[in-house]
Amino acid sequence: GQQLNQSPQSMFIQEGEDVSMNCTSSSIFNTWLWYKQDPGEGPVLLIALYKAGELTSNGRLTAQFGITRKDSFLNISASIPSDVGIYFCAGRRGGATNKLIFGTGTLLAVQP
Amino acid sequence: DSGVTQTPKHLITATGQRVTLRCSPRSGDLSVYWYQQSLDQGLQFLIQYYNGEERAKGNILERFSAQQFPDLHSELNLSSLELGDSALYFCASNQGGDGANVLTFGAGSRLTVL
Repeated sequence: GQQLNQSPQSMFIQEGEDVSMNCTSSSIFNTWLWYKQDPGEGPVLLIALYKAGELTSNGRLTAQFGITRKDSFLNISASIPSDVGIYFCAGRRGGATNKLIFGTGTLLAVQP
Repeated sequence: DSGVTQTPKHLITATGQRVTLRCSPRSGDLSVYWYQQSLDQGLQFLIQYYNGEERAKGNILERFSAQQFPDLHSELNLSSLELGDSALYFCASNQGGDGANVLTFGAGSRLTVL
């Protein structure tokens, strides 16, 4: 099935470090979303982006909707152990179906 | 608690069997989406229902079917199960319509086919 290219695939960092991950597509998207999935749970929305160039923060998290509308990135500053999980980007092209296409995920491990 | 309820949480069954997964959307949400998450495939969109009618279809196998009932809960039926059907199945909901972008996910149903 169709998926967005998300990188890196995994990251192993020390507590306090900053993290950056991104998502790219060959198609233009109208919406970019970033979700986090904890083990055994469903994805939980972190940030939603609706306009090209938009930069949105949620606490230590900052995400941007790329100008070309084909990419997005997520930054986490001063990471803490509870940031551990899988981070997914998701994009929506538009239209009535509201179908979201998900990235392949970035596994984040934070060592205290 | 996201407000999206999925049952059962875990299910173990044998190849060739049939199972039904159930989802109750968040209160007020009209649209239900089903996703499959396996280790090597990420989150794959299966199917969407809006107010009882099928709205969009993704990579859903012919052995799988779904429906949304008048009370808006949805069921995903998986039949003639194969080992490769082992996965986490997520239901998500939103209000539906063009302006409703964000999906709220349930905790998932983990299916193991032996």
